[in-house]
Amino acid sequence: QLQLQESGPGLVKPSETLSLTCTVSDDSISSSNYYWGWIRQPPGKGLEWIGSIYSSGSTYYNPSLKSRVTISVDTSKNQFSLKLSSVTAADTAVYYCARHTTTVTVDYWGQGTLVTVSS
Amino acid sequence: QSALTQPASVSGSPGQSITISCTGTSSDVGSYNLVSWYQQHPGKAPKLMIYEGIKRPSGVSDRFSGSKSGNTASLTISGLQPEDEADYYCCSYAGRRNFDVVFGGGTQLTVL
Repeated sequence: QLQLQESGPGLVKPSETLSLTCTVSDDSISSSNYYWGWIRQPPGKGLEWIGSIYSSGSTYYNPSLKSRVTISVDTSKNQFSLKLSSVTAADTAVYYCARHTTTVTVDYWGQGTLVTVSS
Repeated sequence: QSALTQPASVSGSPGQSITISCTGTSSDVGSYNLVSWYQQHPGKAPKLMIYEGIKRPSGVSDRFSGSKSGNTASLTISGLQPEDEADYYCCSYAGRRNFDVVFGGGTQLTVL
């Protein structure tokens, strides 16, 4: 059974860079024909796609966040990562890592990790 | 891309049927049969309920069904059960020019 697990700091200061890592178990990021992505959910609000990386290494970002987002992959550790720069309180959210298909079907989700932006 | 439009809340009694709408544009819902629906209970990660508009993953009850007409997709839950009470989100591919994904704002379902 595929599992995804987010890890990273739960508290980030304003203007700094938020960094999270997702560790994937029971599937190989580099060999499978899937996208590996990040989705966030501010407290009490809806879901927002942040971006995805394909098994080939191609990246795709939400246009509204594109200038601040970098998603990368470490195939040796079977992990992919999110960096979001210049964060503000508006970036406070539960961040989910997830796997989705070419038809944008998100079939596996991590449990989510709350990141709070505060000084 | 703007978020897809869903009603903030819907309600129904056990055994009844309800439908949740998800309205987009000709750039997302209207152009692709790539709408998925997710169920989210409080404090939990979302769960896939419907994909590619009408398909149901293995293990999801056949009480859940999806459809689409024009720029609006719909999720219908028949024979409502107490455990169906949750938030529901639609999602669509929206990448006419660049790969893009949009979610709806979410609908809170209350089983009375």
